[in-house]
Amino acid sequence: NAGVMQNPRHLVRRRGQEARLRCSPMKGHSHVYWYRQLPEEGLKFMVYLQKENIIDESGMPKERFSAEFPKEGPSILRIQQVVRGDSAAYFCASSPLVGSGRDYTDTQYFGPGTRLTVL
Amino acid sequence: RKEVEQDPGPFNVPEGATVAFNCTYSNSASQSFFWYRQDCRKEPKLLMSVYSSGNEDGRFTAQLNRASQYISLLIRDSKLSDSATYLCVAHNAGNMLTFGGGTRLMVKP
Repeated sequence: NAGVMQNPRHLVRRRGQEARLRCSPMKGHSHVYWYRQLPEEGLKFMVYLQKENIIDESGMPKERFSAEFPKEGPSILRIQQVVRGDSAAYFCASSPLVGSGRDYTDTQYFGPGTRLTVL
Repeated sequence: RKEVEQDPGPFNVPEGATVAFNCTYSNSASQSFFWYRQDCRKEPKLLMSVYSSGNEDGRFTAQLNRASQYISLLIRDSKLSDSATYLCVAHNAGNMLTFGGGTRLMVKP
């Protein structure tokens, strides 16, 4: 059972360009979460999605950032007109809809992250 | 005040030592708690979940005190491979996780 997959693992963009980060949840998981970790800081929640629905985007900056989780395909975190302050590690996590065994619905498993560097 | 607070450390301990980390949380509505470990430049990996008063898994014991709003993690017989940053995490209504800043552990030979 493959874990959470994210790509690209490393992304370099110049100021003003767009960054698109992709996340495929674990098999059987229908909830996706995006977190951001700035250098030398803790992880901060950005957005929580289910298929075709944004459930909570309270941690997402109001401008330039958007996220989607279409019916088919991976979840996408999109950052338009990137600035140097967007340089960070972006982690995606997933959790199941229905718990089973030790895999409760509140247990989130993380992907390897995308390290975004803005020049 | 941060919602989940941890001593950043670092904790430097010799192999075989017992080490304990504490974590306090401010949101009394937090429903469950987790300890994750994060190695340098890697993703957080789930170590333990804490739903009631405590949980034990091998050398690791987590305890929860809801009255005082703190969670602890005890590591016995420390190994070199335990060196990492340990993240205290609260799960809140709405399914989001709130992370503490992490406690860094260095186990020395």
